[in-house]
Amino acid sequence: KNEVEQSPQNLTAQEGEFITINCSYSVGISALHWLQQHPGGGIVSLFMLSSGKKKHGRLIATINIQEKHSSLHITASHPRDSAVYICAVRSSNTGNQFYFGTGTSLTVIP
Amino acid sequence: DAGVTQSPTHLIKTRGQHVTLRCSPISGHKSVSWYQQVLGQGPQFIFQYYEKEERGRGNFPDRFSARQFPNYSSELNVNALLLGDSALYLCASSLTGSYGYTFGSGTRLTVV
Repeated sequence: KNEVEQSPQNLTAQEGEFITINCSYSVGISALHWLQQHPGGGIVSLFMLSSGKKKHGRLIATINIQEKHSSLHITASHPRDSAVYICAVRSSNTGNQFYFGTGTSLTVIP
Repeated sequence: DAGVTQSPTHLIKTRGQHVTLRCSPISGHKSVSWYQQVLGQGPQFIFQYYEKEERGRGNFPDRFSARQFPNYSSELNVNALLLGDSALYLCASSLTGSYGYTFGSGTRLTVV
């Protein structure tokens, strides 16, 4: 079983739709990251969370430490949001090691 | 200020060869971590270095090695390349290795 599970694996949305990507983890963590990976592989760090909620433009990330769950929301989605979104947790038990989800591939159709 | 820089961006090698990948962290960052991302999967942790010392190692064979230099740049070396080593190799830097990671764009290695 993977330490980090994401859902859904693939997501297609119409432009303007509200999108939610979920992440569940099974290890103790000191932080959770949401990453965006575009074709070609470059990764951009969107959020780092250890509690609560963060907002940046149309992106919102939340984390529930007790339930070991995080969500990434995209409001008013746009075709340029099309990318793979990866949840990564930094373990508090194994010396800062990161565990990554397999990613959610998002396609936003105009 | 430059971000995390990786070189080369793309590389093709033959089975059995050796490869060296390079990473320059953000100025002031003292920790570098390496990850392997096979197509269709999430990245897997390979190594973490902080202040030129290895701080963590993932579940990779001894063919994989790394080092960090006094200027905090890092090299990842892979010996006796296998087809399965074909992947995107990502480098991330942070100030202390505890938070604030920034990822590079990666080196795409193809082993033929």
